[in-house]
Amino acid sequence: GAVVSQHPSRVICKSGTSVKIECRSLDFQATTMFWYRQFPKQSLMLMATSNEGSKATYEQGVEKDKFLINHASLTLSTLTVTSAHPEDSSFYICSARDPGVGNTEAFFGQGTRLTVV
Amino acid sequence: KQEVTQIPAALSVPEGENLVLNCSFTDSAIYNLQWFRQDPGKGLTSLLLIQSSQREQTSGRLNASLDKSSGRSTLYIAASQPGDSATYLCAVRNNAGNMLTFGGGTRLMVKP
Repeated sequence: GAVVSQHPSRVICKSGTSVKIECRSLDFQATTMFWYRQFPKQSLMLMATSNEGSKATYEQGVEKDKFLINHASLTLSTLTVTSAHPEDSSFYICSARDPGVGNTEAFFGQGTRLTVV
Repeated sequence: KQEVTQIPAALSVPEGENLVLNCSFTDSAIYNLQWFRQDPGKGLTSLLLIQSSQREQTSGRLNASLDKSSGRSTLYIAASQPGDSATYLCAVRNNAGNMLTFGGGTRLMVKP
C-alpha cells in the first residue's frame, strides 16, 4: 500500500514554544491530507483537512491560529502547534489517500507523540 | 452527524479462539468502511476496506462484513494469536466528504 511518513515520532517541548510536525506521502501525490488527534485510550478525532495550495478546513472547536497547517506541495503537509501548553500533549496522526487507486483507502502516518512540559 | 460505535471496548481471549468485533454507524449513506489496527503508541495499519456496494472482504485470517442498511460491520478474526493483540478501529467515510469518522476502538488481548 501507499506510504505516509510522519516526523518526528516523538517530541518534548517546553510550554510556550512551537512544534512543527511533518506529514509526507512518499510514493504518491496527495492533494488532500487529514490531521487527527488522539488522547490516551480514546479514538481519533479529525482536527482539520489540509488542501494543497489553499487554506485548511478546520473542524468545529479546533483553533486555526493555534494549529497552523501548511500544505505547500503535493507530498507534504505540516502541522505547527503554536505556543504549546501541557493540554496540547497528545498523539497527532496524519492521513492521506492515494488518488491513483481510486481515492478510496486511507493511509496513515506513524503518528507523533507530543509532550509539552 | 455520523456516529460510530464499537463493541466491546475491550476483549481478552485465550489463543486460538475465533472472535468477532462489532462496529455500528448511525448514517447509512456511507462511501466505504475501513478496519484498522493500532499498536500502542503507533500509527494505524489498514486491515480491510469495504466499499458501500460490497458485503464482505477477506484477508488471511480476517474477514470483515458490511450491512449498510442496518448500519453494522463486523470484523471476524479466526484462530487468534498473541500477535493479534492491539486496538482495532473501524472508520466510516460518508458520501458527503473525504473525512473518516472513527469508532472508539476495541482493545484486544490474546493470551498465550
